[in-house]
Amino acid sequence: DGGITQSPKYLFRKEGQNVTLSCEQNLNHDAMYWYRQDPGQGLRLIYYSQIVNDFQKGDIAEGYSVSREKKESFPLTVTSAQKNPTAFYLCASSDRRFSTDTQYFGPGTRLTVL
Amino acid sequence: GQNIDQPTEMTATEGAIVQINCTYQTSGFNGLFWYQQHAGEAPTFLSYNVLDGLEEKGRFSSFLSRSKGYSYLLLKELQMKDSASYLCAPPGDGANNLFFGTGTRLTVIP
Repeated sequence: DGGITQSPKYLFRKEGQNVTLSCEQNLNHDAMYWYRQDPGQGLRLIYYSQIVNDFQKGDIAEGYSVSREKKESFPLTVTSAQKNPTAFYLCASSDRRFSTDTQYFGPGTRLTVL
Repeated sequence: GQNIDQPTEMTATEGAIVQINCTYQTSGFNGLFWYQQHAGEAPTFLSYNVLDGLEEKGRFSSFLSRSKGYSYLLLKELQMKDSASYLCAPPGDGANNLFFGTGTRLTVIP
């Protein structure tokens, strides 16, 4: 089956620790994205990548890092520099690099900092 | 930046029709997306309007007026499973970014 997977579904982290969220897609999509959603809020863009080995900061990139070494994978690291990391993290991908292309979302990872 | 405005909450009765409005201001323009998001789940694609007018897809229809920066999502024959948040997302300028509104939380009651 084609789709986007994210793991784990729930993640707990101690304050001060870095943690990496996985995002994999087998849709052969060029573009991938990471969003953060807080309770009762919309989605805010953290990072996006239009092609392998290239990525751009979104609106709230501080305290996060990404890599895009393979087309299928776009992991997000939440670093200890992110002051308020507890949130629902969503990964998405789209076929091409244009804003008119539909983004399809993975199931999300809910991160809680203890 | 973007300025997207949707009602925060709406309530409607099972079997009824509901219209969810979205107004926006964007510096670029490439149409507008609507997504549905059930609580605790990921958004799922509902519709994309690239031209002005009404696009009908089963029980759901979406309307767009580019000159007015206005769109609406029309849900007919409401079912309990339609209780969800509905996100309006106009594409941004340049690249391939969408800008999501905070969404409208729709509650369908018996």
